[in-house]
Amino acid sequence: EPEVTQTPSHQVTQMGQEVILRCVPISNHLYFYWYRQILGQKVEFLVSFYNNEISEKSEIFDDQFSVERPDGSNFTLKIRSTKLEDSAMYFCASSDWTGDYEQYFGPGTRLTVT
Amino acid sequence: DAKTTQPPSMDCAEGRAANLPCNHSTISGNEYVYWYRQIHSQGPQYIIHGLKNNETNEMASLIITEDRKSSTLILPHATLRDTAVYYCIVRSLGGSNYKLTFGKGTLLTVNP
Repeated sequence: EPEVTQTPSHQVTQMGQEVILRCVPISNHLYFYWYRQILGQKVEFLVSFYNNEISEKSEIFDDQFSVERPDGSNFTLKIRSTKLEDSAMYFCASSDWTGDYEQYFGPGTRLTVT
Repeated sequence: DAKTTQPPSMDCAEGRAANLPCNHSTISGNEYVYWYRQIHSQGPQYIIHGLKNNETNEMASLIITEDRKSSTLILPHATLRDTAVYYCIVRSLGGSNYKLTFGKGTLLTVNP
């Protein structure tokens, strides 16, 4: 069964450093998303991406964040200058353009900012 | 998107049916009911969704009341691996807004 994959599974970085989180969505999906979950809190929407552009973003997704689909298979989330409060699980998801757009999530990347 | 209300926790005996309720009294006509679950900080997993008819798949059944103001997710024979947080999410498919808004969900604990 096709699945969303994410790398790395765990990233440790120092405050102020740039990080790139990588995702490989399901191959025939056209809609891509990033969510995050701070430990013990709710899953929060960050951004959605379709047709090579952002279709929606949340208040969390400020100028420190960017997304890119550099090739036909990867979807990345970049945090330019990490802060302690960026420590969280980051989940990538993708959905098809047919059906009712149910989203399929990857296993997540745990980002720890020290 | 309409707000949902779920009990914070429920218990179920292994092998029995788990019935998870969700209230969405302000749901509008074009909004779907989605269910996801999250097992121990893993990525949320899609379970099932519906608009107004009852739905069944290999994982679960979804019963939506006739007035669509509430729904119940049924896991027919719960196993220990079904212990997870279950999220009921109401979402419209209009425009380009396909984001999921997660609440706190229901922590289902399946006991041996």
